[in-house]
Amino acid sequence: EPEVTQTPSHQVTQMGQEVILRCVPISNHLYFYWYRQILGQKVEFLVSFYNNEISEKSEIFDDQFSVERPDGSNFTLKIRSTKLEDSAMYFCASNYGIQETQYFGPGTRLLVL
Amino acid sequence: GENVEQHPSTLSVQEGDSAVIKCTYSDSASNYFPWYKQELGKRPQLIIDIRSNVGEKKDQRIAVTLNKTAKHFSLHITETQPEDSAVYFCAPSRGGGSYIPTFGRGTSLIVHP
Repeated sequence: EPEVTQTPSHQVTQMGQEVILRCVPISNHLYFYWYRQILGQKVEFLVSFYNNEISEKSEIFDDQFSVERPDGSNFTLKIRSTKLEDSAMYFCASNYGIQETQYFGPGTRLLVL
Repeated sequence: GENVEQHPSTLSVQEGDSAVIKCTYSDSASNYFPWYKQELGKRPQLIIDIRSNVGEKKDQRIAVTLNKTAKHFSLHITETQPEDSAVYFCAPSRGGGSYIPTFGRGTSLIVHP
């Protein structure tokens, strides 16, 4: 069964550094998402992406964040200048249709020191 | 935005008992009602979902019931097993062009052998 994959599984970075989190959505899916989950808390929506542009974004997704689909398979989340409060698990998800089930990747645990 | 509440926050049962988790939401336009299971350190995984034109859906030991008038839906697990122990999230979303789920804070289910 196809799955969403994410790399790296863990990333440790210094405050102020840029990080890029990578996702490979399921191959025939058209809609892509990033979520974050601070340890012990609920999953929070960051951004959705369709047809090579952002569809929706939350208040969390400020100018420090950007997303890109650089090729036909990867979907990336960039944090330009990381802050301590960016430490969280970041999940990528994808689905085929806007009303269809979203499938989550295994997550990248980001730790900002 | 959507206000989502889950109750209880923690539920402890004996193996074989039933468990019920309730999710209330505020947006009357919500029309898709999924439940996700998240084991410790892992990705959220959809376990069951229901759409607004259906009142109840069952899949083996798991069922979801929806009361659109009262704006709540519930997850029912019968004959609980230790492997059901996890955090369960509801994540309703609405139509009208936005299908972004709003996750509840989660319910930690502990099934004692």
